[in-house]
Amino acid sequence: KAGVTQTPRYLIKTRGQQVTLSCSPISGHRSVSWYQQTPGQGLQFLFEYFSETQRNKGNFPGRFSGRQFSNSRSEMNVSTLELGDSALYLCASSLGDREGLYGYTFGSGTRLTVV
Amino acid sequence: DQQVKQNSPSLSVQEGRISILNCDYTNSMFDYFLWYKKYPAEGPTFLISISSIKDKNEDGRFTVFLNKSAKHLSLHIVPSQPGDSAVYFCAATYSGGYQKVTFGTGTKLQVIP
Repeated sequence: KAGVTQTPRYLIKTRGQQVTLSCSPISGHRSVSWYQQTPGQGLQFLFEYFSETQRNKGNFPGRFSGRQFSNSRSEMNVSTLELGDSALYLCASSLGDREGLYGYTFGSGTRLTVV
Repeated sequence: DQQVKQNSPSLSVQEGRISILNCDYTNSMFDYFLWYKKYPAEGPTFLISISSIKDKNEDGRFTVFLNKSAKHLSLHIVPSQPGDSAVYFCAATYSGGYQKVTFGTGTKLQVIP
């Protein structure tokens, strides 16, 4: 079956702009989680969506937002980009119940560079 | 507040020897732990997990040990192979609810042929 698809793979944006990243989960997976990966910080949790509802949220400013559609596809948006937003953004899909037992399946990520 | 810590950013091991990657956690609510492996330009892939009711779980060359009293877990890879060279992330969560998975900062393992 198809894996988790993230688009685009690479993005270069200017400070102050906004950006939208997309994630298509594995068919049948209802949960989509977003993580930011930066050197030295590991994977920082942004938010999780399950059946179109935000179920968990990390400690990121309100400039970071997301949504999930009825087909489980998810988007995340970052407004008023800052240089520090440069990172690899990873999407993870799961069945949505007891993530720890089933584990996430990650996409390859979107590499965002803010200049 | 880093609730899951991997204090060694990197580790080098000779091929055929044992690799031991360590992880500490501070939140006593965590009861399920996972290890992920990540190659460059790819997303992390699930490797092995362990529930807090166990102290050891094996899967082929990979074994995870959990010491609840010390809030410490480790991943052993025996024997190490060059293809194991990757970044390894420790992660933790609560199995009883819909909680987020908290990841460590990662350890870059290099297996030298």
